[in-house]
Amino acid sequence: GENVEQHPSTLSVQEGDSAVIKCTYSDSASNYFPWYKQELGKGPQLIIDIRSNVGEKKDQRIAVTLNKTAKHFSLHITETQPEDSAVYFCAPYTVYNFNKFYFGSGTKLNVKP
Amino acid sequence: EAQVTQNPRYLITVTGKKLTVTCSQNMNHEYMSWYRQDPGLGLRQIYYSMNVEVTDKGDVPEGYKVSRKEKRNFPLILESPSPNQTSLYFCASSLNGYEQYFGPGTRLTVT
Repeated sequence: GENVEQHPSTLSVQEGDSAVIKCTYSDSASNYFPWYKQELGKGPQLIIDIRSNVGEKKDQRIAVTLNKTAKHFSLHITETQPEDSAVYFCAPYTVYNFNKFYFGSGTKLNVKP
Repeated sequence: EAQVTQNPRYLITVTGKKLTVTCSQNMNHEYMSWYRQDPGLGLRQIYYSMNVEVTDKGDVPEGYKVSRKEKRNFPLILESPSPNQTSLYFCASSLNGYEQYFGPGTRLTVT
């Protein structure tokens, strides 16, 4: 199956700073690249995604960038706020895997007020 | 309200005692999955279903069973639970097969 790695595993930033989380994957056929946010005691929630024909996508303070050649994509959070503190997961998806998903091991983001 | 519900939310049981965790979605989604989440390992897919009566194994199916008799329900069955199945379990559903909506989770402890 797909080999997915996330870095860093933990990230601590000051409120207002930017945070970047990187996800590398092994299957060059991957064509859907989501990021999920999991708050304490809750299930993961899809926050942003990108398709393979797009290099970057922004939604207010969050953005995802994709480098298909290097097989990695990144989550960017600007002007971080305490409510951004959570665990973030990537889950690159390959359409021919027929609904099989492989998640990264997660990045715990702590935003200090 | 569109949602995925799981029951129970917490369960403590003993080795070998069969149990079922229910999952239900009200969004008319065709795709549903079960995951387990363990520290440092992220989420690992147990089973998935692409439609009624269509199920297939994910990455870690050993020790689990599922069924999909109705579109809205996708129960996870542990016929003979063991301590290594102590974990946090999530059900998810999807309309298009890749944008997933997760339930609130079921924390299972097997002693």
